[in-house]
Amino acid sequence: AQKVTQAQTEISVVEKEDVTLDCVYETRDTTYYLFWYKQPPSGELVFLIRRNSFDEQNEISGRYSWNFQKSTSSFNFTITASQVVDSAVYFCALSERLTGANNLFFGTGTRLTVIP
Amino acid sequence: SQTIHQWPATLVQPVGSPLSLECTVEGTSNPNLYWYRQAAGRGLQLLFYSVGIGQISSEVPQNLSASRPQDRQFILSSKKLLLSDSGFYLCAWMGRVGQYFGPGTRLTVL
Repeated sequence: AQKVTQAQTEISVVEKEDVTLDCVYETRDTTYYLFWYKQPPSGELVFLIRRNSFDEQNEISGRYSWNFQKSTSSFNFTITASQVVDSAVYFCALSERLTGANNLFFGTGTRLTVIP
Repeated sequence: SQTIHQWPATLVQPVGSPLSLECTVEGTSNPNLYWYRQAAGRGLQLLFYSVGIGQISSEVPQNLSASRPQDRQFILSSKKLLLSDSGFYLCAWMGRVGQYFGPGTRLTVL
């Protein structure tokens, strides 16, 4: 069975601090895909990144970076020098395929508040 | 470029009334389509998905139903709403990299 755990329900940081959002997943498949989405107060989910299970290279995009570790089944997300605009709920998700019935299994989300 | 639309944006309905939420995708053909529900303060729950016209799979048994009358149209319906149907409903389509979500419909059942 598939499961995504985001143990941090809420995090508050002061602007310019770095923050890491944790994500731990469970799957029996050897090939799978991991995602992060951002949900700002407007409600719409914004796609941030997809990581394939066969590619463990970490990725950096501006102030965002992702650390994928298969050994610990984790896919953590770090925001460097946080800004008020980063305040949102962040969801980690897992899918076992990209075609056909490729359902996404979501974690319960982490609400990040960046205090100015 | 591809875009996804949902309407209405907000809806307040009495218990027992019918429901119809619409989702349309532009700029792509034969996409996989999905309906999710997000209850207040909680994660997303997959309700239905469709891999083609007339093909609907249900993930959670409930009083909701879905239909896909056209390639890029996905409709969520109910004959009689329950209080527990309140939530934020999101439609998504499967793009090249991942699922992309619409703006959502916030449904309040009173």
